[in-house]
Amino acid sequence: EAQVTQNPRYLITVTGKKLTVTCSQNMNHEYMSWYRQDPGLGLRQIYYSMNVEVTDKGDVPEGYKVSRKEKRNFPLILESPSPNQTSLYFCASSLGFDNEQFFGPGTRLTVL
Amino acid sequence: AQSVTQLGSHVSVSEGALVLLRCNYSSSVPPYLFWYVQYPNQGLQLLLKYTTGATLVKGINGFEAEFKKSETSFHLTKPSAHMSDAAEYFCARLSGGYNKLIFGAGTRLAVHP
Repeated sequence: EAQVTQNPRYLITVTGKKLTVTCSQNMNHEYMSWYRQDPGLGLRQIYYSMNVEVTDKGDVPEGYKVSRKEKRNFPLILESPSPNQTSLYFCASSLGFDNEQFFGPGTRLTVL
Repeated sequence: AQSVTQLGSHVSVSEGALVLLRCNYSSSVPPYLFWYVQYPNQGLQLLLKYTTGATLVKGINGFEAEFKKSETSFHLTKPSAHMSDAAEYFCARLSGGYNKLIFGAGTRLAVHP
């Protein structure tokens, strides 16, 4: 089944404790992206990647890092999480920029 | 600045009634436009998209949207609401740089008996 998977689905952590949210897609898509969803703001892009080893900032990249060492994986790293990063995070992938983006199920992160 | 505006954060309709969710975009050129649906505790699922060509776009689950350049609108409609349509709906456009989707704030649709 074609899908985007994210782990973990739920995470509660404390300020400053490094964490990684994994994202994997099995559709051989070149383009991958991370969004955060906050009430009243819709989804905002954090980082995106056009292919292996090619990444760039989105609208809200502060406090986040990404890497793209393999085509299928695009982890999101929070080196020192803060409470304002409490949010619902989505990974997405697509064949190209103007193609349909397939979304993962989301990761709900709470930073205390 | 490129933006997407969804009028009404909450819409409530009766089962069987018309569903109309409004979306306006700002752009000097026709953009690629999308409607996504998010069911509780799930990711986003594409309902329909407009790229070029026919301005009336049909999507899944009986939804359709019409691209109106003169009004810079892309409203989503469904003739008859079903209880299973209760969800949050997001209008989005592809950015000018084609590197991301720009989302509206979302409209939560409630369907009551």
